[in-house]
Amino acid sequence: GAVVSQHPSRVICKSGTSVKIECRSLDFQATTMFWYRQFPKQSLMLMATSNEGSKATYEQGVEKDKFLINHASLTLSTLTVTSAHPEDSSFYICSARGSGAGSYEQYFGPGTRLTVT
Amino acid sequence: DAKTTQPNSMESNEEEPVHLPCNHSTISGTDYIHWYRQLPSQGPEYVIHGLTSNVNNRMASLAIAEDRKSSTLILHRATLRDAAVYYCILRQEGSARQLTFGSGTQLTVLP
Repeated sequence: GAVVSQHPSRVICKSGTSVKIECRSLDFQATTMFWYRQFPKQSLMLMATSNEGSKATYEQGVEKDKFLINHASLTLSTLTVTSAHPEDSSFYICSARGSGAGSYEQYFGPGTRLTVT
Repeated sequence: DAKTTQPNSMESNEEEPVHLPCNHSTISGTDYIHWYRQLPSQGPEYVIHGLTSNVNNRMASLAIAEDRKSSTLILHRATLRDAAVYYCILRQEGSARQLTFGSGTQLTVLP
């Protein structure tokens, strides 16, 4: 299957700072990338959907000015958590979907564990 | 996407078969049944999917009821590495929508 990577795998930051998480599709071009968040013992919740070259679409309740998403190329999307607070501590998972007919399968990255102190 | 219902948790003994059920009584004719699993501290990984016929791959088998209102993921010989949360997700054929995750089934494999 297709490979999606995330960097970093885990990060600890101080409250009030910003953190950038990268998501890359390694062997295919991802026209659409999804960002999910997962709190302990809970399921994945979609935060936003981004299409290459367009503004991201955020789910209800997700602050677009706090969670900045950039999908500038077909292989890279970034999520920046701005002015992070302890309640933003979570497991962030990206997912990518390719282009072309029939390319609707989603491939997931390994996740990034964010801890805000 | 139609809703699915799964047990919160199940246990299995190592090297024994595991049958993970999923109910999807409101499934539509174009909904594929997908199974993903999430190992601890990892992203979800694809397991198997099907439409009407039973499916087999190297990871698992998928048994789909004749009326398609339920399905069962079968792990033929559970190993400790199969301990994960298993998600049953319905997805329309060719859908551009994202995968929507329910609460899944936490599988515990006992040595």
